[in-house]
Amino acid sequence: DGGITQSPKYLFRKEGQNVTLSCEQNLNHDAMYWYRQDPGQGLRLIYYSQIVNDFQKGDIAEGYSVSREKKESFPLTVTSAQKNPTAFYLCASHIGGAGNTIYFGEGSWLTVV
Amino acid sequence: DAKTTQPPSMDCAEGRAANLPCNHSTISGNEYVYWYRQIHSQGPQYIIHGLKNNETNEMASLIITEDRKSSTLILPHATLRDTAVYYCIVRANAGGTSYGKLTFGQGTILTVHP
Repeated sequence: DGGITQSPKYLFRKEGQNVTLSCEQNLNHDAMYWYRQDPGQGLRLIYYSQIVNDFQKGDIAEGYSVSREKKESFPLTVTSAQKNPTAFYLCASHIGGAGNTIYFGEGSWLTVV
Repeated sequence: DAKTTQPPSMDCAEGRAANLPCNHSTISGNEYVYWYRQIHSQGPQYIIHGLKNNETNEMASLIITEDRKSSTLILPHATLRDTAVYYCIVRANAGGTSYGKLTFGQGTILTVHP
């Protein structure tokens, strides 16, 4: 079945460590996104990419980095510069062009210990 | 993107219709109304979207007022599994810097009870 796969579902990070969250989609979507969600809050956009080898900062990009070397993959690295990384992270993709629905993965919980 | 206003919570009896309202009084002509829902610790699930005409799919119906300043999501026969946070979002269906920048508010917590 087509969809968006995020891994790991749960991740613990020690302070000062970088961690990378994986996002893979087999929907042949051009655009991919990373959102952050804090408990009881809405989603905030971190980074998005409309095409391979290109990406743009969202509203809260500081302390995060991404790459888009393949169409199906858009990994997010949470760096040590992110002061409050504990959150629920959601990856999404969009067909682009005439398509206008964004589909989400199941999310990854990151906890700093 | 236009801002939306939704009630923080609503209750509905199982088997009855759930009608979730959304105000988007500053919506512009090229902005669509989208509805998503999110069950705790899962990714948001797309429900339906529309521009100005009423829309229906296998999950729900979307009723948009003629002036487009408000809309209602209708779940015709709510079940316990419809308990979730429902988000109403408006955004332009265009490329450029607004591409994909969905702005999620607090949403409406819908509780379906037996």
